[in-house]
Amino acid sequence: SQQGEEDPQALSIQEGENATMNCSYKTSINNLQWYRQNSGRGLVHLILIRSNEREKHSGRLRVTLDTSKKSSSLLITASRAADTASYFCATENSGNTPLVFGKGTRLSVIA
Amino acid sequence: DAGVIQSPRHEVTEMGQEVTLRCKPISGHNSLFWYRQTMMRGLELLIYFNNNVPIDDSGMPEDRFSAKMPNASFSTLKIQPSEPRDSAVYFCASSPMGGSEKLFFGSGTQLSVL
Repeated sequence: SQQGEEDPQALSIQEGENATMNCSYKTSINNLQWYRQNSGRGLVHLILIRSNEREKHSGRLRVTLDTSKKSSSLLITASRAADTASYFCATENSGNTPLVFGKGTRLSVIA
Repeated sequence: DAGVIQSPRHEVTEMGQEVTLRCKPISGHNSLFWYRQTMMRGLELLIYFNNNVPIDDSGMPEDRFSAKMPNASFSTLKIQPSEPRDSAVYFCASSPMGGSEKLFFGSGTQLSVL
């Protein structure tokens, strides 16, 4: 069953612009993670934010978490054509259950 | 480290045939997960193992699906008999923490059942 739901389903931007993707979930979580998937490849872990954290940075990535709204956002700044991929949020629910993934946002960065 | 290794990369088979997918997790990782990805349903967890022991197989769609992990460095997912609706990309992932923190995914097996 799906826990996280990404929004938008697809996003197309120009190189250099910022890309923002959102994720909403339903139940209490231990942590929320973002993954990237290039076409024909496996998922690659980008960043993990714990339930007691509100914001986290990694390079050009910025993740926020609002547990009161059960939502998270992933911001990619100064996007590049190489950022073109699908981005998934995944939640580890309370009780140390396995990750549950959303259906992803397809990001296209046009050079 | 070579990462999580899955084989084959592509499998095309006919309905009714047995299919075996293979996975070698990253050495030292305690947890192994099998996911299935389709356009309609996204990524679904099929089964996961901790220290070679199956913990939760509630995601396995039917008795036609079975998974084993005979040792820490090898796992198989078997479908017998296969059906066209089993067509999907099957991913294996491993984790070092005995849980779900930071999964490392293989490149997947693209399965087509004709």
